[in-house]
Amino acid sequence: KQEVTQIPAALSVPEGENLVLNCSFTDSAIYNLQWFRQDPGKGLTSLLLIQSSQREQTSGRLNASLDKSSGRSTLYIAASQPGDSATYLCAVGSGTYKYIFGTGTRLKVLA
Amino acid sequence: NAGVTQTPKFQVLKTGQSMTLQCAQDMNHNSMYWYRQDPGMGLRLIYYSASEGTTDKGEVPNGYNVSRLNKREFSLRLESAAPSQTSVYFCASSIRTSGNSGEQYFGPGTRLTVT
Repeated sequence: KQEVTQIPAALSVPEGENLVLNCSFTDSAIYNLQWFRQDPGKGLTSLLLIQSSQREQTSGRLNASLDKSSGRSTLYIAASQPGDSATYLCAVGSGTYKYIFGTGTRLKVLA
Repeated sequence: NAGVTQTPKFQVLKTGQSMTLQCAQDMNHNSMYWYRQDPGMGLRLIYYSASEGTTDKGEVPNGYNVSRLNKREFSLRLESAAPSQTSVYFCASSIRTSGNSGEQYFGPGTRLTVT
């Protein structure tokens, strides 16, 4: 059974710092992996989708990488800003039209 | 283009009452999903519909039923609400390609409290 872990559960960094969020999964037979952002009391906003054949995807200050063999994905945020404060979730597409979600990393960027 | 919409935004039920959560998408997606989000548990799939006319159980289907009314709409029904169903419910949709779920888009959620 696929399990998805995000460590740490919470992270505080000063504004301007580059940071890396981690997502680990137990079964490397995945179709894709998606990173989301969730603001308090809101829905999930899609940030990046990486297909299993890809190694990374970039959007603005965000870069997500995927290493299936080691069961890891990282989300790199460059030059963090207070507006980046949110919970970041990863979800692994394990086939049969389903995603398995991690429990998220709560990020706080201090001004 | 509204994306994924959900109604209601908030709901309080008494134990044993029933209700239906509504979801609609205007992106012509073929797959739709219902999740619940609980503190410390992440999002868990309740039911999904790979395409119009089909529905399947997810990880936590007990106490729920769904209807894929048409390509746009996917509703979730609680027949007899229980306090354990207090949660935030999210609907999502995606394009299905070659048996795999594509990029998922989420609605704003319904906050349900069962007393």
